[in-house]
Amino acid sequence: DTEVTQTPKHLVMGMTNKKSLKCEQHMGHRAMYWYKQKAKKPPELMFVYSYEKLSINESVPSRFSPECPNSSLLNLHLHALQPEDSALYLCASSQDSSAALHFGNGTRLTVT
Amino acid sequence: QKEVEQDPGPLSVPEGAIVSLNCTYSNSAFQYFMWYRQYSRKGPELLMYTYSSGNKEDGRFTAQVDKSSKYISLFIRDSQPSDSATYLCAMSAGAGGTSYGKLTFGQGTILTVHP
Repeated sequence: DTEVTQTPKHLVMGMTNKKSLKCEQHMGHRAMYWYKQKAKKPPELMFVYSYEKLSINESVPSRFSPECPNSSLLNLHLHALQPEDSALYLCASSQDSSAALHFGNGTRLTVT
Repeated sequence: QKEVEQDPGPLSVPEGAIVSLNCTYSNSAFQYFMWYRQYSRKGPELLMYTYSSGNKEDGRFTAQVDKSSKYISLFIRDSQPSDSATYLCAMSAGAGGTSYGKLTFGQGTILTVHP
């Protein structure tokens, strides 16, 4: 088991649905991340939160909306997704910018 | 040319073999180097983390960083079938600003250890 917990593990949604992915860590880390991973590819950075403030947005389409309610929680709100958005969405956390990232096991998202 | 190059394999070895995995990179700003192991349908699991050049050992795993050659390696001794996974190298410049926590990954090497 990882110390970064993601829910749900699997999600199937239609293109008109609104859903949210959730992530929680209790390691006291001050940075949290969303990554997207397609099959047989490395993870790609989407967003970085540092001290609960959005510090990096890697030009992600607005149909993905991140939220950091507190230092332990990170959400990713999804709306009007496309089938090509189907992927494994990974949350990660780190102590600071020089520390290694610790990943959760991801949410496997399928958009129909 | 990619910023980080990693041979995707696949690599197949017998149980007990020594496995060598490698990455090369072009960005001299990279200072922090990591190896992750990813099992199918799971998230990447941190195996090794090193800063700058040098060696680090943890059980059956040894990580080496040679910044002068821009080359990093992961050695697995006495490999086990449970080591079968995709191994990802990752690196970052650290610090703040636009590079904050931004990892650049290799493509991953698929390793199979057969009994």
